[in-house]
Amino acid sequence: GEDVEQSLFLSVREGDSSVINCTYTDSSSTYLYWYKQEPGAGLQLLTYIFSNMDMKQDQRLTVLLNKKDKHLSLRIADTQTGDSAIYFCAERSGGYQKVTFGTGTKLQVIP
Amino acid sequence: KAGVTQTPRYLIKTRGQQVTLSCSPISGHRSVSWYQQTPGQGLQFLFEYFSETQRNKGNFPGRFSGRQFSNSRSEMNVSTLELGDSALYLCASSFPDSNEQFFGPGTRLTVL
Repeated sequence: GEDVEQSLFLSVREGDSSVINCTYTDSSSTYLYWYKQEPGAGLQLLTYIFSNMDMKQDQRLTVLLNKKDKHLSLRIADTQTGDSAIYFCAERSGGYQKVTFGTGTKLQVIP
Repeated sequence: KAGVTQTPRYLIKTRGQQVTLSCSPISGHRSVSWYQQTPGQGLQFLFEYFSETQRNKGNFPGRFSGRQFSNSRSEMNVSTLELGDSALYLCASSFPDSNEQFFGPGTRLTVL
């Protein structure tokens, strides 16, 4: 079945870049997502990438996909204290909306 | 445009009771999915509804059920509550087969 793994915790200094990594097992994944969850809130879709792409950039966010190694990363440039949250990697295969989420990475930004 | 709304936001129940949670999707969205989030199991897919029909289902016992109405609003029901059902229940809506799902703030269920 599908499995998505992430490291649990990342700490960076304000102004540095953050890189959050994710590995997945489902080779039929068509879309890969990054979501952000702040305390007490639902999930906010940050960005997503189609499986035939290698990279996607959206303002401070850069997503890199290595399909051969089934590795996805999210780079946040110029990390701010407001970026402190839990970041979830997720994958979807097929036409339905069933999304498999990773365990989440808690990003702590130190001022 | 209003986002996904979920009611109630917080709920406390006791073991053995049943509970119904409600989700109103973004206007125009006809697909509604439900997820359970717990510290131990993370985010897990419960089911997806489209046009009042369940299209996909996760690995949850039959105590978890749902339905969707003609206006795309959805409810999920959990019967015979167990302590382990304590979780944040998230609803997400989208256009059918869209690449993007939009999540509501969740309903925090506590089972005592």
